[in-house]
Amino acid sequence: DIVMTQSPDSLVVSLGERATINCKSSQSVLYSSNNKNHLAWYQQKPGQPPKLLISWASTRESGVPDRFSGSGSGTDFTLTISSLQAEDVAVYYCQQYHAIPRTFGRGTRVEIK
Amino acid sequence: EVHLVASGGGLVQPGGSLRLSCAVSGLTFSSYSMNWVRQSPGKGLEWLSYITGYSDAIHYADSVKGRFSISRDNAKNSLYLQMNNLRAEDSAVYYCASSNASLDHWGQGTLVTVSS
Repeated sequence: DIVMTQSPDSLVVSLGERATINCKSSQSVLYSSNNKNHLAWYQQKPGQPPKLLISWASTRESGVPDRFSGSGSGTDFTLTISSLQAEDVAVYYCQQYHAIPRTFGRGTRVEIK
Repeated sequence: EVHLVASGGGLVQPGGSLRLSCAVSGLTFSSYSMNWVRQSPGKGLEWLSYITGYSDAIHYADSVKGRFSISRDNAKNSLYLQMNNLRAEDSAVYYCASSNASLDHWGQGTLVTVSS
């Protein structure tokens, strides 16, 4: 199985400041046939299901604010919130869809300082 | 707008069975693979199972293989999860999610509690 390791477990950031979440996969999730990284980021607010923010490591979903960005390739990925807003308080998960079983990171809780 | 509504959860005794359903609207159901994902209270996300649009490929996590069975009815725009021989550690909120690759749309989830 591909193990997804997220860091940190939690993050406390001031409003308007940058939040950075890291995700490392135990093997590459770059698919050579399409040169795409099979890596997604999800946001989960309390009492809600997860919401897809970013697919293919860096493609923002429609309606997702542009303060959210994804980067990285191969085994190392980053989700950046460029200017944290109050509504961004949530748990963020990375997930690989390169192999079965699909696997998630353990999540990073983002809070306001 | 895409809607996924999961139902069928509840309280069941260890060793018992339960069948979850997921009603889907707002997309061409047969064009999408579907998944079940669960989340134990206060814990992270665990992918459980996947079925392609015409049921030609099905996969399971090792934790549920041989006990859970995924199926779909494209005529009814519905996804199912038959859960047998349930254990306490299967207690969780169960989500259905559509996928082209990533998990694009999620339902609200249905709570399963396995307890005597």
